[in-house]
Amino acid sequence: AQSVSQHNHHVILSEAASLELGCNYSYGGTVNLFWYVQYPGQHLQLLLKYFSGDPLVKGIKGFEAEFIKSKFSFNLRKPSVQWSDTAEYFCAVMVTGGGNKLTFGTGTQLKVEL
Amino acid sequence: DAGVIQSPRHEVTEMGQEVTLRCKPISGHDYLFWYRQTMMRGLELLIYFNNNVPIDDSGMPEDRFSAKMPNASFSTLKIQPSEPRDSAVYFCASSFRTSGGWGGELFFGEGSRLTVL
Repeated sequence: AQSVSQHNHHVILSEAASLELGCNYSYGGTVNLFWYVQYPGQHLQLLLKYFSGDPLVKGIKGFEAEFIKSKFSFNLRKPSVQWSDTAEYFCAVMVTGGGNKLTFGTGTQLKVEL
Repeated sequence: DAGVIQSPRHEVTEMGQEVTLRCKPISGHDYLFWYRQTMMRGLELLIYFNNNVPIDDSGMPEDRFSAKMPNASFSTLKIQPSEPRDSAVYFCASSFRTSGGWGGELFFGEGSRLTVL
């Protein structure tokens, strides 16, 4: 079965710092990749997704992620974080042909300090 | 525009009691998912339905867990009997299929936090 690894469980940054959250998956076939975000007190919501095409995907609020197939990675980036980016971020994988289900990583808690 | 509605938001119960969690998906969505979130295991898919039919229940931990979707606007997740290790946040999510297939976007409810003493 596929798995998703998010190695950074907690990240603390100052405002304006650059962000990169790691995500690796273990599956050799075709995958669709997602990042979800949960802001404090809110429900999980989709940040961005990759299905095919340009491996650099842009999402909401200035976030982007790059799919590197050779590294089985889909890291999330933002050039300059804001206090409002404080949230928990989840990477997820859907295996093509494996049913309509997402496998989530354990999440990375990001805290942005003023 | 109402999102996915879950109830109860919090439940504290004693070991051995029956627990029923409820979910109302977004109108028009034809997929419904139940996830469980714990510190140790993160978000785990328990079961999902398509057009009210259970498609994959391989994530249901054991026979104590059951889920139903009697109609397009309602689903339940039942635990009987409950155990302390069932303590977790249970999320319901709904989604929809487009002409291009399923896009993978889940619309989550706010979750039901269950504590079993």
